[in-house]
This record gives sequence, C-alpha cells and structure tokens, in this order.
Amino acid sequence: EADIYQTPRYLVIGTGKKITLECSQTMGHDKMYWYQQDPGMELHLIHYSYGVNSTEKGDLSSESTVSRIRTEHFPLTLESARPSHTSQYLCASSGLAGARLDGELFFGEGSRLTVL
Amino acid sequence: AQTVTQSQPEMSVQEAETVTLSCTYDTSENNYYLFWYKQPPSRQMILVIRQEAYKQQNATENRFSVNFQKAAKSFSLKISDSQLGDTAMYFCAFMKHDNTDKLIFGTGTRLQVFP
Repeated sequence: EADIYQTPRYLVIGTGKKITLECSQTMGHDKMYWYQQDPGMELHLIHYSYGVNSTEKGDLSSESTVSRIRTEHFPLTLESARPSHTSQYLCASSGLAGARLDGELFFGEGSRLTVL
Repeated sequence: AQTVTQSQPEMSVQEAETVTLSCTYDTSENNYYLFWYKQPPSRQMILVIRQEAYKQQNATENRFSVNFQKAAKSFSLKISDSQLGDTAMYFCAFMKHDNTDKLIFGTGTRLQVFP
C-alpha cells in the first residue's frame, strides 16, 4: 500500500465556495503531482512540485492553485468553485523510497469533487 | 508533444484466460519509459509494469507482460491466467527520461474479468 493520502474522498459543494483538497505522503518524496481525471477520460497533469517552495503548472490549464510549504504536504485550492470544476483529482508522488522501479508514481485514492 | 492512444474502451475476459490490451503512442524522443497502471474500482492506482525504451527485451512481471514494438510505437499489455482481482481500469502512460517523472496517460481500458 502506498503511503499517500487524500482528503476529502468525496465533496459536494455549491458554486462560489472555496475548497482545499489535501494530499499528504509519508515517504519523503520530493516530487508531487496533481492530476485531473474526468469519467472515461485520461488523467491530465494540472500541477507539480519538485520540492519545498517549488510549484509549476501542468499541461492542462487549471484555475486551481497549489502550495508546497512542507515536503509531505501538497494541497490544492479552488478560490471559487464552479460546476466546470466537477471532476476527480488525483494526487501522486515519486521518489526513491518505496519505488520498485525508476519513475514509479504513487497515487492517492482521489478526491471526487462535485460543484452544484 | 507526446500522445498516448488506447483504442479499446472496454474489454472482458473469462477467469484463467489471456487478454491483451493495446496502446500506441507518438513521440520524437528516443529515450523514455512506458508504463501500464491499474486503477481498481474506488482504489488507488498502482504500477503494473514498466518498459525502458532503450531495452529491446520485453518487460515481464509474473502474469503481466508487454509487447514493445519501438519502431511501430506500440506497447500492448498481456495478462495471462486472468483473475477476478484483475478487474480494473488500465492506463497506458508515457514518461520522458528527463527526471521530471511527469506521466502522459491514455484514456484507459476498462477490463472486466468474469468467473
């Protein structure tokens, strides 16, 4: 089992609310990622980080923001949620600890967000 | 830009039989990794198998093996002796060998294993 955790697993909120999706890993991995996954679609990278105080935007444009103040923690925030933000958000990390193979990513269980 | 294509949205197989999932990709890179990830229903995505592009030998992991055709940019996954626990979404993914560990995914194939 991967030591990477996401909360909440499910969230239903109204338009205009601010939300934060939490992601924590206990493996000491430097690299962390947020992917957005719509039903029946591929995962798209929206944010990544290579270490503390490092954040970059991914290939898919997103209105969300991220921060990396601690190695183990990589939260994603939406300041004002809209129905178009309805999706599943997957957090992942990579590093030497726990990896069987170079480049192996460890994923959380995902946060399924529904914005009404 | 790299792309990954999985042309089989759904597949089914009977327990103990063999099934092959297809994946093609496009890249101008010469050095890269290819992966198959498994996402069981409501559970974490996990790595199934990895292939390094510079290796001609196909990767194997127990009942899972790949057929890597670099010139054809094809990377299929064969599951032998299918088990009920193999029921999941399977994603093919590409990663440049540049230490970024950024994955580019295909749209996935939903595999159902029947008793």
